[in-house]
Amino acid sequence: KQEVTQIPAALSVPEGENLVLNCSFTDSAIYNLQWFRQDPGKGLTSLLLIQSSQREQTSGRLNASLDKSSGRSTLYIAASQPGDSATYLCAVSPNAGGTSYGKLTFGQGTILTVHP
Amino acid sequence: EAGVTQSPTHLIKTRGQQATLRCSPISGHTSVYWYQQALGLGLQFLLWYDEGEERNRGNFPPRFSGRQFPNYSSELNVNALELEDSALYLCASSLWSHNEQFFGPGTRLTVL
Repeated sequence: KQEVTQIPAALSVPEGENLVLNCSFTDSAIYNLQWFRQDPGKGLTSLLLIQSSQREQTSGRLNASLDKSSGRSTLYIAASQPGDSATYLCAVSPNAGGTSYGKLTFGQGTILTVHP
Repeated sequence: EAGVTQSPTHLIKTRGQQATLRCSPISGHTSVYWYQQALGLGLQFLLWYDEGEERNRGNFPPRFSGRQFPNYSSELNVNALELEDSALYLCASSLWSHNEQFFGPGTRLTVL
């Protein structure tokens, strides 16, 4: 059974800092990994998708890396801003077949607060 | 292009009643997923529909059910509501089963 863990559970930083959020998963047989952002009481916004054959993806100030063999992904946020304050979730999609087919398994998230 | 839409935004029911939640996927997407986000439990996979068929379900009792219509919109039904069913229910859609999932704003279900 796939388990996804995110560290740290919460992070508070001053504006302008570069920061790293960590995600680890127990089963390396993944098809892809997604990073999401969730504002309080809202739905999820997809930030980055990394296919299992890729090492990293970049979008603006965000960079996500994937090391499938070690079961790890990191989300790097450059020059953080107060508007980045949200919960960040990573989720893995399994390879085809099996009882987990089609579903995303989520971590518990990292609550990020960026203060001015 | 419109995103995933869900209705209603909020739903208040009493224990024992039935709730119906609706989801419209992004145009062209054939796969629809339902997730439950209960306080302290994180996001849990509920159901996956593709081309009108249920393809997979999570570890939830049979009173959680749904369907997908010919236009690919979907409905989640929760029968015999219990207090612990109170949660944010999120719908997502994708072009096909392993593609990027896009989420709607959710329906907040409160069971009194």
